[in-house]
Amino acid sequence: DADVTQTPRNRITKTGKRIMLECSQTKGHDRMYWYRQDPGLGLRLIYYSFDVKDINKGEISDGYSVSRQAQAKFSLSLESAIPNQTALYFCATSDSQVPATGELFFGEGSRLTVL
Amino acid sequence: DAKTTQPNSMESNEEEPVHLPCNHSTISGTDYIHWYRQLPSQGPEYVIHGLTSNVNNRMASLAIAEDRKSSTLILHRATLRDAAVYYCILRDEGLVPRQLTFGSGTQLTVLP
Repeated sequence: DADVTQTPRNRITKTGKRIMLECSQTKGHDRMYWYRQDPGLGLRLIYYSFDVKDINKGEISDGYSVSRQAQAKFSLSLESAIPNQTALYFCATSDSQVPATGELFFGEGSRLTVL
Repeated sequence: DAKTTQPNSMESNEEEPVHLPCNHSTISGTDYIHWYRQLPSQGPEYVIHGLTSNVNNRMASLAIAEDRKSSTLILHRATLRDAAVYYCILRDEGLVPRQLTFGSGTQLTVLP
């Protein structure tokens, strides 16, 4: 099983619908991140959390919200999806014990299409 | 925030060395240089990191300029499986990450 699991892997929805992407990890890491990837733009940080109940905005947080329900779970919500939120979303984790040298571990991605 | 600059794309022949450059002219003394790669249809994966000295691991080598304003990821013998997007990012010890956004990276094409 993957260390960082994202569900769903693929989702097609309509404009205005509420969508939740979920991420769970078995790495035991305290830090978790949500990224968005668009073609040719690399990965941009949406939100990050350094511990349960710690939530921080990233570069492109507008239109998104997150919840850190437990150390192992970090959910990304789109309250009212719009077509320009069509993208590939990645969850990642890291260990605060090695903030600068530790690896970021990524999930396999969730492809979201908003019609 | 410190930024990195990479070429959009590079090509290499199979079994030849590849040198992927990264410029980070505004790097601070506490920034570590990290490299990740993203294979098609996968999430990014860690390749290597360093601070000042050159580093080697089973995947690659990292050469860091003496002034630390640039670095080069070296794949000693490229294989077709090395075709990926390679990202260079900077990370530091601070409680608030100074840079967690990946740029557009370098698309490496390996020719058979």
